[in-house]
Amino acid sequence: QQPVQSPQAVILREGEDAVINCSSSKALYSVHWYRQKHGEAPVFLMILLKGGEQKGHDKISASFNEKKQQSSLYLTASQLSYSGTYFCGTESNNAGNMLTFGGGTRLMVKP
Amino acid sequence: NAGVTQTPKFRVLKTGQSMTLLCAQDMNHEYMYWYRQDPGMGLRLIHYSVGEGTTAKGEVPDGYNVSRLKKQNFLLGLESAAPSQTSVYFCASSYIWGNQPQHFGDGTRLSIL
Repeated sequence: QQPVQSPQAVILREGEDAVINCSSSKALYSVHWYRQKHGEAPVFLMILLKGGEQKGHDKISASFNEKKQQSSLYLTASQLSYSGTYFCGTESNNAGNMLTFGGGTRLMVKP
Repeated sequence: NAGVTQTPKFRVLKTGQSMTLLCAQDMNHEYMYWYRQDPGMGLRLIHYSVGEGTTAKGEVPDGYNVSRLKKQNFLLGLESAAPSQTSVYFCASSYIWGNQPQHFGDGTRLSIL
């Protein structure tokens, strides 16, 4: 079953913050986050494992709430380059890196 | 820095025609995957392979076949193309041990008339 992402779309001004959520009805082993720009391939951002860890990369970070089976992606002080569609991919029960992707969140950052 | 290479990049088929999409990776990855992506939707897994000579069905396997005769190549075949198979197809690969990112190719845009 596909994880649910929210919001479906968000428009920001440069420098503003955003949060993208990913919720699953299944027990999760890990959550992957990818960004895809229009007409390009998805690009890996980060992986979170169960245990509630939080990771960060530059001004993009994420958390994983194992009890709620949710992950959130935090974009701080957004830049124009952050525009694109963000996908979470969830892995259940250490299923050998097999991911089920959410429907995506479109993020547009305007000057 | 080739990474994952997909050929062709674009193709237009007529209903009923057959074709094969090729995916090649040079990272010595064990796992390879084929996804389809439809407008406004996420990636859906068609088939995958955990090693040379092995394949398995994903979420939406009907109408597709795959083969992995060599570790670096993963082929996706459409035996009798249907308009519902119009989509963008992405190949990805990853290492076998846990919690590894998937590396994606640039995609193949396939239109079936």
